[in-house]
Amino acid sequence: DAKTTQPNSMESNEEEPVHLPCNHSTISGTDYIHWYRQLPSQGPEYVIHGLTSNVNNRMASLAIAEDRKSSTLILHRATLRDAAVYYCILPNYGGSQGNLIFGKGTKLSVKP
Amino acid sequence: DSGVTQTPKHLITATGQRVTLRCSPRSGDLSVYWYQQSLDQGLQFLIQYYNGEERAKGNILERFSAQQFPDLHSELNLSSLELGDSALYFCASTRGGTSDLDEQFFGPGTRLTVL
Repeated sequence: DAKTTQPNSMESNEEEPVHLPCNHSTISGTDYIHWYRQLPSQGPEYVIHGLTSNVNNRMASLAIAEDRKSSTLILHRATLRDAAVYYCILPNYGGSQGNLIFGKGTKLSVKP
Repeated sequence: DSGVTQTPKHLITATGQRVTLRCSPRSGDLSVYWYQQSLDQGLQFLIQYYNGEERAKGNILERFSAQQFPDLHSELNLSSLELGDSALYFCASTRGGTSDLDEQFFGPGTRLTVL
């Protein structure tokens, strides 16, 4: 059990920012927060990960709450290609043994 | 292109049969992970190998087995196939033995259909 909670679906307009939330209220101090996404008919792909500080890369930004009980993946300008299922994962949580245990994720739809 | 290759792309077989799925990790990656994705179960972690040794087990059935060879490629063997084994099977690789610091690179998947 990944112990993360995400909305089932979200909608966005093209070229607008998207904020995808994730709750992980039972996170421990050493649990990294990872985000992956799966585009239609493809394997999952890594998006970003962080521990305590906010993180940025070419794909997205990750904002982590000060108490680490929640995080938000930010896509700064959504494109049609960003339509995917986004997964928030804690690889070290519980019995995960450092592996990725995927939940149901958030299905992001992007409207032109 | 993630650098992870999987063969075959598609596989159609009958119940009771046995199949082998193959995965080649990215160059230099020592870990291989196998996942099953079906419509009703979502993406499920099956098993991980690190440098030839089994490292972690997930929801892998006893009818399924895997191994990682000295050249680091891996094979997933599925036997006594049932209709419910129809799914997409992904493999992924990482440089090290754990995914809390490493990103996993996923292959394109093998679609298995059991008739």
